[in-house]
Amino acid sequence: GENVEQHPSTLSVQEGDSAVIKCTYSDSASNYFPWYKQELGKRPQLIIDIRSNVGEKKDQRIAVTLNKTAKHFSLHITETQPEDSAVYFCAAGGGSNYKLTFGKGTLLTVNP
Amino acid sequence: GAVVSQHPSRVICKSGTSVKIECRSLDFQATTMFWYRQFPKQSLMLMATSNEGSKATYEQGVEKDKFLINHASLTLSTLTVTSAHPEDSSFYICSARSGETQYFGPGTRLLVL
Repeated sequence: GENVEQHPSTLSVQEGDSAVIKCTYSDSASNYFPWYKQELGKRPQLIIDIRSNVGEKKDQRIAVTLNKTAKHFSLHITETQPEDSAVYFCAAGGGSNYKLTFGKGTLLTVNP
Repeated sequence: GAVVSQHPSRVICKSGTSVKIECRSLDFQATTMFWYRQFPKQSLMLMATSNEGSKATYEQGVEKDKFLINHASLTLSTLTVTSAHPEDSSFYICSARSGETQYFGPGTRLLVL
């Protein structure tokens, strides 16, 4: 089955700096890669996703890049703000069963 | 759009009793819903895939007789934890699929005494 590795497990940045979270996946059949943000005690919220036919996608301060050959994808957050502090999960999946395999998460702390 | 509700948000029960958790897609129809379990400070572990009108598909290591799933309509899936024990205490989250995207419910915190 699919295996998703996510790094780093914790990341602390100063407000205004950029944050980068990286994931690798093992199953070359995976074609859908979403990123979720989960605040403490709350539901995971989809923040951005990318499909395998695209190399990069951007939405305001958030961007995701995908390298299918190397089987890795990354989340980039620019101009970080304290409200960006949360746990971020990457996931990989797609295919006929639509299952997602999640990374272990990254606790991002943005210090004012 | 794409709102998913889950009920109850929190439940405490005695060991040996059964608990039912409901997952509803409020503004869209979902032929597929997923049930996850999340331990503190850990990732989402898929338990099973719930398919409307057919049997659920369970992940390896998940007891289907203990975690009963019913997906009787396009907007409702239920998870019943049967004969609950303290080790079943956890945060259970469902998601409903719209296209490839999964939208999550707010979760149910189960505590078994």
